[in-house]
Amino acid sequence: GESVGLHLPTLSVQEGDNSIINCAYSNSASDYFIWYKQESGKGPQFIIDIRSNMDKRQGQRVTVLLNKTVKHLSLQIAATQPGDSAVYFCAENNAGNNRKLIWGLGTSLAVNP
Amino acid sequence: GAGVSQTPSNKVTEKGKYVELRCDPISGHTALYWYRQSLGQGPEFLIYFQGTGAADDSGLPNDRFFAVRPEGSVSTLKIQRTERGDSAVYLCASSLTGADTQYFGPGTRLTVL
Repeated sequence: GESVGLHLPTLSVQEGDNSIINCAYSNSASDYFIWYKQESGKGPQFIIDIRSNMDKRQGQRVTVLLNKTVKHLSLQIAATQPGDSAVYFCAENNAGNNRKLIWGLGTSLAVNP
Repeated sequence: GAGVSQTPSNKVTEKGKYVELRCDPISGHTALYWYRQSLGQGPEFLIYFQGTGAADDSGLPNDRFFAVRPEGSVSTLKIQRTERGDSAVYLCASSLTGADTQYFGPGTRLTVL
């Protein structure tokens, strides 16, 4: 399944399928991007990050793709599991001397067993 | 401790009261951040500490909000004359330095009646 985070904030997939969560970021000068997972009642949990000098980075079952030309970020989750159900946020670093993160709206992922 | 801890986990107060929210960062992390998250939204940056000093407090909404980190470890977010609009989850994060991944605590849910 695939979503555009800003237009379809809820993504529902079957267990075992691959998920793609999309994010459009705002600042062309941002140089660092992070995906966080947030379960209900918990703080955001770091998943994976990528710097602007890369266009792809892989982790365990997750891949982040960065397209700087169109300011687009995606998170791919392979073989989605029920434990992946959560809200996923992309965040960008506000380029400059400070390190505050600017967050997207979030996409809710629901995994059906 | 293994991660960022925040106390209390829940705080209910009356309009006009003063509250303090505490954050214990990961041991050795020099950078500490406070965010505020409303239901269904991504976290909103409030303030960033590097060591004992506030390196960026541009996200504090007004002068009722203040934060300290006197010894460069534990931080307290203080809110005076609370208003109903202050109700939110207040998240704390820490990172090894200001250039590293931010790790979040579970948050304090503040409800102002």
